[in-house]
Amino acid sequence: DAGVIQSPRHEVTEMGQEVTLRCKPISGHDYLFWYRQTMMRGLELLIYFNNNVPIDDSGMPEDRFSAKMPNASFSTLKIQPSEPRDSAVYFCASSLINEQFFGPGTRLTVL
Amino acid sequence: KNEVEQSPQNLTAQEGEFITINCSYSVGISALHWLQQHPGGGIVSLFMLSSGKKKHGRLIATINIQEKHSSLHITASHPRDSAVYICAVRRSSNQFYFGTGTSLTVIP
Repeated sequence: DAGVIQSPRHEVTEMGQEVTLRCKPISGHDYLFWYRQTMMRGLELLIYFNNNVPIDDSGMPEDRFSAKMPNASFSTLKIQPSEPRDSAVYFCASSLINEQFFGPGTRLTVL
Repeated sequence: KNEVEQSPQNLTAQEGEFITINCSYSVGISALHWLQQHPGGGIVSLFMLSSGKKKHGRLIATINIQEKHSSLHITASHPRDSAVYICAVRRSSNQFYFGTGTSLTVIP
């Protein structure tokens, strides 16, 4: 298995634009997590899914953020409209029982 | 107040030294995770604990539920162990809390 796949790896956009981050979990994993990491706040859990259903989205910063998991092999995190304070590295991770496997992350810069 | 506190924040060790990183938490948990983040940014899950002790190679993780404390030990440290180590706890309510990380540098 190729591991957790995220795209794009880097994204530079202008304030106000819509940004969509994508994640393909490891096949067979039933949990999917979206994290954000910044220097100021460290690693934060934004939302996670179990069997494609959102379980806890209390970490989603505000209504500008939304996440979907239309099927077991794909999830998106959308920011609309984006703001400079959204600049961070966004990680996706998947797990089956215990151990989480992290993707390489998407480095987002909002100018 | 942070629900998860790690110490030390930064640690420099000589190759071969025994290293301990501590994690204390203030909430009831269902599990505790230790994560490793390499200088390139990639994150690897090292352990998930709910009780006792786990060992993987030169890494040992322990947890004391009553004292709300966990330790990550590295025996015979090596420069390739240089990374940021992050403690994270999961509550039965499915909330996660993260420590700010311990930055470890092992000098040859």
